[in-house]
Amino acid sequence: KNEVEQSPQNLTAQEGEFITINCSYSVGISALHWLQQHPGGGIVSLFMLSSGKKKHGRLIATINIQEKHSSLHITASHPRDSAVYICAATFGNEKLTFGTGTRLTIIP
Amino acid sequence: DTGVSQDPRHKITKRGQNVTFRCDPISEHNRLYWYRQTLGQGPEFLTYFQNEAQLEKSRLLSDRFSAERPKGSFSTLEIQRTEQGDSAMYLCASSPRVDTIYFGEGSWLTVV
Repeated sequence: KNEVEQSPQNLTAQEGEFITINCSYSVGISALHWLQQHPGGGIVSLFMLSSGKKKHGRLIATINIQEKHSSLHITASHPRDSAVYICAATFGNEKLTFGTGTRLTIIP
Repeated sequence: DTGVSQDPRHKITKRGQNVTFRCDPISEHNRLYWYRQTLGQGPEFLTYFQNEAQLEKSRLLSDRFSAERPKGSFSTLEIQRTEQGDSAMYLCASSPRVDTIYFGEGSWLTVV
């Protein structure tokens, strides 16, 4: 069964802290996405990974294919980073299978 | 605005009524997806179009649900004889290729 699991479910941190959100998946994937969802529902795609590491500003995403694991890191976290971060994967087809999300709250 | 557009953004309906949601994808995107998200959960796949062809449907899409993309551009998702369990956010997404995806703001449905 194709599954995606995230941890932690909720994360609260002080402004400036380094944040790590983890994602593991059950079987081989063709791609893994990190998404950001703000209150009200809109989802923004942050990264698509099939191997290695990507960086965009203060966001870094890594994937380890052998361990079936990916991480999203946020450096120098800011209150505007508060959102739900969702890991999603494609398992050799066109549709995304989503994790349940990590609710991140950054306190000033 | 050239993003994925969904309408209406919010809909409250009585149980048993029919509702229809519309999605306008980004122009030239041949792939269009519908997902459903309930509170506290990640989105779940409903159906997928490539151009006008509906290529995959989830078992979540009961016979009360129908989706169309008649000209390969906008898509509609209709729910007939709504039930309280249909209350959710219905997300549309489009993409030009498998490695990138753009989501709409979602259509919130409340069935009372």
